[in-house]
Amino acid sequence: SQQGEEDPQALSIQEGENATMNCSYKTSINNLQWYRQNSGRGLVHLILIRSNEREKHSGRLRVTLDTSKKSSSLLITASRAADTASYFCATDVQGAQKLVFGQGTRLTINP
Amino acid sequence: NAGVTQTPKFRVLKTGQSMTLLCAQDMNHEYMYWYRQDPGMGLRLIHYSVGEGTTAKGEVPDGYNVSRLKKQNFLLGLESAAPSQTSVYFCASAQGYEQFFGPGTRLTVL
Repeated sequence: SQQGEEDPQALSIQEGENATMNCSYKTSINNLQWYRQNSGRGLVHLILIRSNEREKHSGRLRVTLDTSKKSSSLLITASRAADTASYFCATDVQGAQKLVFGQGTRLTINP
Repeated sequence: NAGVTQTPKFRVLKTGQSMTLLCAQDMNHEYMYWYRQDPGMGLRLIHYSVGEGTTAKGEVPDGYNVSRLKKQNFLLGLESAAPSQTSVYFCASAQGYEQFFGPGTRLTVL
C-alpha cells in the first residue's frame, strides 16, 4: 500500500497565488522528497528534506517536515503557468534503498 | 549525457505475449528501479537493483522479472502479458537519495 497520502488530490489556482500541498506518511523515514511530473513525462526531483530538518527552501519552493505528525508540506510561491504539473511526495523508509510515493497532487495554474 | 533512457516508448501487446523493456543510464549509478504508474496514482515499485548482478522485489513484483547483467542496464520482462499490466512504466537510477527518471514506456495489453 502507498506510504504517502497527499492532499488535496487536485488544486487549481490563479497565476501569482501560492500553492500548498500536503503529504502524510506512516513509518519512520530517513528523508522525504518532492518530485514534479509534467503531463506525459518522467518525474523530476525538486527538493529533499532530511528527518532531522524542519524546513528547507529552494527558490520558490518551501518544504516543511513534522516527524511527530508524520507530515510534510510543499509551498510554491508566486505560481506560474509553467508550474502546472502533478507533484508527488516520496519517503525514503529507514533501512531500505527505495522510495515510496504518494498518489500525487495535480496542480493547475490558471493564467 | 543522455541520463536515463527507456526503450521502447510505446508498445501494444496481446494477452499472453512476452516482451522486454530496456532501461539504460549513463551516470554510473549503482541503484536502478522499475515502477509502474496507473491513472490517478503514484508510482509503485516493481523491482529494483542495488548494483550489477543484484535484483530485489518491490511492492508489485508478480508477473514481472528483471535482470541487471551490466551496471548501466536494467531490463524488465513480462513473460505472459495480462490486461492488468496495461500501464506506464518508468525506470529510475540513483547514486544517492535523488532518483533520476526516464521518460516512460506506455504499454497496452489487449
